[in-house]
Amino acid sequence: RKEVEQDPGPFNVPEGATVAFNCTYSNSASQSFFWYRQDCRKEPKLLMSVYSSGNEDGRFTAQLNRASQYISLLIRDSKLSDSATYLCVVIGSGGSYIPTFGRGTSLIVHP
Amino acid sequence: GAGVSQTPSNKVTEKGKYVELRCDPISGHTALYWYRQSLGQGPEFLIYFQGTGAADDSGLPNDRFFAVRPEGSVSTLKIQRTERGDSAVYLCASSLMAEGEQYFGPGTRLTVT
Repeated sequence: RKEVEQDPGPFNVPEGATVAFNCTYSNSASQSFFWYRQDCRKEPKLLMSVYSSGNEDGRFTAQLNRASQYISLLIRDSKLSDSATYLCVVIGSGGSYIPTFGRGTSLIVHP
Repeated sequence: GAGVSQTPSNKVTEKGKYVELRCDPISGHTALYWYRQSLGQGPEFLIYFQGTGAADDSGLPNDRFFAVRPEGSVSTLKIQRTERGDSAVYLCASSLMAEGEQYFGPGTRLTVT
């Protein structure tokens, strides 16, 4: 089993749709979780941190489920500009802060 | 403020040659990471520095790869005897603390012919 797994998609949705991605992780001791957005041939850009209590930033909501070891990203009212690859990253614990990225989920928002 | 910068943006080299890739992190960020990304994959961890020391280099694929950060700021990733399989985008990221939010540079696209 890979340490961090994501469905590569693509998720093909119309403008205005709500779409959700999950990311599962295998290390139960992981401490930090983030979502990044990556456009084609560009570097990853931080989208949001994922806190135990969940967090929301405009149309984006991120949640952490420690019991089931996954994080989620919900995008409401999708825009054409949301089309990108969404990467989750999990950072370890126990003094070794190695970040592990998922392979990313591709989102295509169409008119 | 200035973000993470990387040079060169593109590097084409012949198999067997030596290359150096440079990363200039955000000022004040103590943690610096190197990753390698191939098409359709997420960034693959190579090494990270906390200050001047390599805190974890377990992601370096073999001893042809080496990285330094002598003054706790700029870092250089060095690849000896390059192979075609080394072709990828090499990304650098920095953060205020090891488990915190990372900010990426634009990457260096390395092509080994």
